[in-house]
Amino acid sequence: NAGVTQTPKFRVLKTGQSMTLLCAQDMNHEYMYWYRQDPGMGLRLIHYSVGEGTTAKGEVPDGYNVSRLKKQNFLLGLESAAPSQTSVYFCASSQLGYNEQFFGPGTRLTVL
Amino acid sequence: LAKTTQPISMDSYEGQEVNITCSHNNIATNDYITWYQQFPSQGPRFIIQGYKTKVTNEVASLFIPADRKSSTLSLPRVSLSDTAVYYCLVMYSSASKIIFGSGTRLSIRP
Repeated sequence: NAGVTQTPKFRVLKTGQSMTLLCAQDMNHEYMYWYRQDPGMGLRLIHYSVGEGTTAKGEVPDGYNVSRLKKQNFLLGLESAAPSQTSVYFCASSQLGYNEQFFGPGTRLTVL
Repeated sequence: LAKTTQPISMDSYEGQEVNITCSHNNIATNDYITWYQQFPSQGPRFIIQGYKTKVTNEVASLFIPADRKSSTLSLPRVSLSDTAVYYCLVMYSSASKIIFGSGTRLSIRP
């Protein structure tokens, strides 16, 4: 089992460009999450999903959109990137909301 | 307002027991407290989880007092490889919020 994988691992964008981050899990988990982690800080929840076809806002949702068309995939989109979105993005999944979350390796995004 | 607070850093020596405390206000009876470990350039990794009294696994113990306003992660006999950042996570069911603490940077010395 690969667990949770994230694509790409690194990306550099210019202000105003768009991109999509892909998260995939092979554990048949119901819940999936997107977090951002800024230098020296903890993780902040962007959006999450409690099942295929559902999404919900987390603590810092502005500037991001998500989709969960398939149970194993959770996409995070930036429509118009801003320098404030420079961060490391982590995806995670869990079987239920209170269960252990399994994290991916992260995507390092820089917006110039 | 749901908030999760931890000390910024702690130092200890190999072989010692380390206790890291997390404060979490407005926690409800069934809200779970989970602790994660993170090494540089990696995603967090699960350590332990509980919602009352005491939980123990092969690597750590979690103590939760009766008022549940705080919890303590206990790492017995730490080694150099335990140098990492430790995060507590509370899932506040009443507000549907998932709040990570800001992390405690633990440094272990020989």
